[in-house]
Amino acid sequence: AQSVSQHNHHVILSEAASLELGCNYSYGGTVNLFWYVQYPGQHLQLLLKYFSGDPLVKGIKGFEAEFIKSKFSFNLRKPSVQWSDTAEYFCAVNGGPAGGSQGNLIFGKGTKLSVKP
Amino acid sequence: DGGITQSPKYLFRKEGQNVTLSCEQNLNHDAMYWYRQDPGQGLRLIYYSQIVNDFQKGDIAEGYSVSREKKESFPLTVTSAQKNPTAFYLCASSIRGLADNEQFFGPGTRLTVL
Repeated sequence: AQSVSQHNHHVILSEAASLELGCNYSYGGTVNLFWYVQYPGQHLQLLLKYFSGDPLVKGIKGFEAEFIKSKFSFNLRKPSVQWSDTAEYFCAVNGGPAGGSQGNLIFGKGTKLSVKP
Repeated sequence: DGGITQSPKYLFRKEGQNVTLSCEQNLNHDAMYWYRQDPGQGLRLIYYSQIVNDFQKGDIAEGYSVSREKKESFPLTVTSAQKNPTAFYLCASSIRGLADNEQFFGPGTRLTVL
């Protein structure tokens, strides 16, 4: 069965610090990878996604993630965080080729990011 | 203004009562989903539906039921058989039920059992 691990439960950073949130998944086949963000009081929304091609994907608000197949990882990064990045971040995986029939979208347990002004 | 609406925002229920959570989308999406979010647990899939009149159990379907009579609506009933129903419930939809489709989420319903 697929699973997703997010190693950091709560990360606290000062503004302008660099961010890296870890995400590892367990699935041996083709995967589709997502990072979602939930800002306080707002809907869960897509930050970025990877299906195929360039393993370094760029998302909204200056976030990027790198897919490393050999490590089963899809870590989220941002060079310089802002107070407005305070939110909960979820990594998710869906096994199977893009355009194929759906497997379940499996979410990690989430990482809370608190950015101090 | 397209999107997903969930109602009510807050819901209180007495033990032993069934309760139905509403989810409506006007995005013309084929697929809809129900998740449960608990603190520190992430999102867990309850049920999903890829087309009208069809739905499948997710990872934690016990104590829940759904229907998909219309494309835009996917109500979730939390029955008295659900042992620990207090949680935040999120509805989502995607254009098709395909592995690479982005899911769009509603604002959620917070259910509290008294």
